[in-house]
Amino acid sequence: AQTVTQSQPEMSVQEAETVTLSCTYDTSESDYYLFWYKQPPSRQMILVIRQEAYKQQNATENRFSVNFQKAAKSFSLKISDSQLGDAAMYFCAYRSPEYAGGTSYGKLTFGQGTILTVHP
Amino acid sequence: DADVTQTPRNRITKTGKRIMLECSQTKGHDRMYWYRQDPGLGLRLIYYSFDVKDINKGEISDGYSVSRQAQAKFSLSLESAIPNQTALYFCATSPGMGTGELFFGEGSRLTVL
Repeated sequence: AQTVTQSQPEMSVQEAETVTLSCTYDTSESDYYLFWYKQPPSRQMILVIRQEAYKQQNATENRFSVNFQKAAKSFSLKISDSQLGDAAMYFCAYRSPEYAGGTSYGKLTFGQGTILTVHP
Repeated sequence: DADVTQTPRNRITKTGKRIMLECSQTKGHDRMYWYRQDPGLGLRLIYYSFDVKDINKGEISDGYSVSRQAQAKFSLSLESAIPNQTALYFCATSPGMGTGELFFGEGSRLTVL
């Protein structure tokens, strides 16, 4: 079964600085999707960014970018110019493609989460 | 209005009571999921449904049951609640094809005393 590991339970950053959240995953598949979700204190789950494994180019969404290292099975999230509103729990998630079948078909597997604190 | 609506948002109950968490969606998605969030454990899948006639167990289904009443409605039941079912519960939907990202409800905080 696929597993997703976030080894940093907590991280902190100064406002306007850059922070990187780590995520590793275990899979035997060659094609899959990876996601970062943000959960602010309101507890709503918000999609931050997605990456398709077949794409070599790292995904970017405004101040958020990823460093996708397929061979190393690593998927880190970089937040640039951190803002107070970035303070939240961040979850990394993995999903198999539709044709993969197997036990992970159509489901997301989540990491344990990283709490990000932003200091003014 | 939210596209994925969960009720109740918060609930406190006692051990042994039957509890139902309800989820409805207006996104038109066929796939619906129930996840449980616990500190340090992330989100874990309880049950999922790819259409009205399809129900599947997730990794932690013991002590839970579900009902897919319609394409838009997916309910989670705790037949006899116990304290270690105290958690934040999320309903989510997915269109299936494509990247398959999940769209979440606002969560239901359940406390079992």
